[in-house]
Order: sequence, then C-alpha cells, then structure tokens
Amino acid sequence: NAGVTQTPKFRILKIGQSMTLQCTQDMNHNYMYWYRQDPGMGLKLIYYSVGAGITDKGEVPNGYNVSRSTTEDFPLRLELAAPSQTSVYFCASSGGQGLGTEAFFGQGTRLTVV
Amino acid sequence: AQKVTQAQTEISVVEKEDVTLDCVYETRDTTYYLFWYKQPPSGELVFLIRRNSFDEQNEISGRYSWNFQKSTSSFNFTITASQVVDSAVYFCALSEVWGQNFVFGPGTRLSVLP
Repeated sequence: NAGVTQTPKFRILKIGQSMTLQCTQDMNHNYMYWYRQDPGMGLKLIYYSVGAGITDKGEVPNGYNVSRSTTEDFPLRLELAAPSQTSVYFCASSGGQGLGTEAFFGQGTRLTVV
Repeated sequence: AQKVTQAQTEISVVEKEDVTLDCVYETRDTTYYLFWYKQPPSGELVFLIRRNSFDEQNEISGRYSWNFQKSTSSFNFTITASQVVDSAVYFCALSEVWGQNFVFGPGTRLSVLP
C-alpha cells in the first residue's frame, strides 16, 4: 500500500524557472492538501481540495497553482520560482474532516531556489 | 477561527527523564479532532494519535500518554522514560468537523540527550 507518493524528493530551481510537484494517493481519499514547511517552522497550508474538480486557497497560496482532475492526483505548480519558495513541501490526504480521520503525508519534496 | 499553540519551542532532557509537550487549541466548533504527529530528523511526518472532542479519556500507549482537557482547551503529550530515539519535532493539530483542513501548531523540538 503506497499511501501518498510525492515526486521528486529533491529539486534545485533557478529563479524564474517553473516546475510541478507531483502528488498521488491510492487510498481513494476525497480531501488532499499541500503544505510547506520552512526551516525550523511549522506547516502552512498552501492549497487544498475536497474532491475532484474542487480546489481552494489556504494560508499561503501566492506563487502557486493546483489542479485536481482526478481523485488520486493533486499536482502543485510553481510559476516563476523565487528564493522565498525554498522550503519542504508536503502533500497529504484524508478521508475528510467530517470523518475525523488523520492526514496521511507524503515523504516531502525539498526544494531550493537559487 | 481555529488555532493551535505550542508554547514550548525547544525542550532538552536527559535520557530516562519524563517530558510533557503542551498543546492549547482554539475552536468555535463543538465537534473537532485533535492529533499529534512526530517529525524525526529524517523529515517524514508520523501520525501518533487522534482524539475527538467527545472523548476526554486519557490514553496511554507504551511510554506515551495523552491528557485531553476540554475545560482548558489542552491536549498535552507526555513521554515517560524518554529515549534518544524520541528526539524529534512534535506537532499538535486540530481539525473541525465542519472545516476543510488541518491546522498545525508551530511544533516543539525535543532533544533527548544520552
């Protein structure tokens, strides 16, 4: 059982480049999330989705875009990378807040923008 | 608005000492869920426990125990006879049943010294 899979695990981007962080889950969860964790800090919500075709902004959405065309996949797009986007990115999924289930996390993507 | 506070930024203890990590939360909902996650130096997020707002029974799992008190909006985590492998960042999180995401506290970095 793979759970939540994120790729890549590490990436170095130059300022102004773009990239997509991939996230897929095999638990048939409706809810998916993207968080970022800056060094020594907690998790901040970037975007979330409550089902295929539905996405919404979290606390720190600027500079990012998401899509949710299938239940399984929730890619995060960085346009025009900036040094402030250097962070570790975590994708997560859950059965939904109403069910009270925990969030299952991917292994994280460590992104450095230089 | 939902909020999670972990006032202890860093704690250092010597192996075999007991240590308590504090978590205070804010929510307007009467139904909600609380979680603890562990983030070891390897970086992944490991789910430890879930508690719903209607269950105030304390829970013990091996060396870990949790004290949930609605009267003080606290969900504290105690490690008994700490070990070096307990060294990690610990996050407390809140999910409201009518909410759409998880809110994490800033984390407490625990260092257990040999």
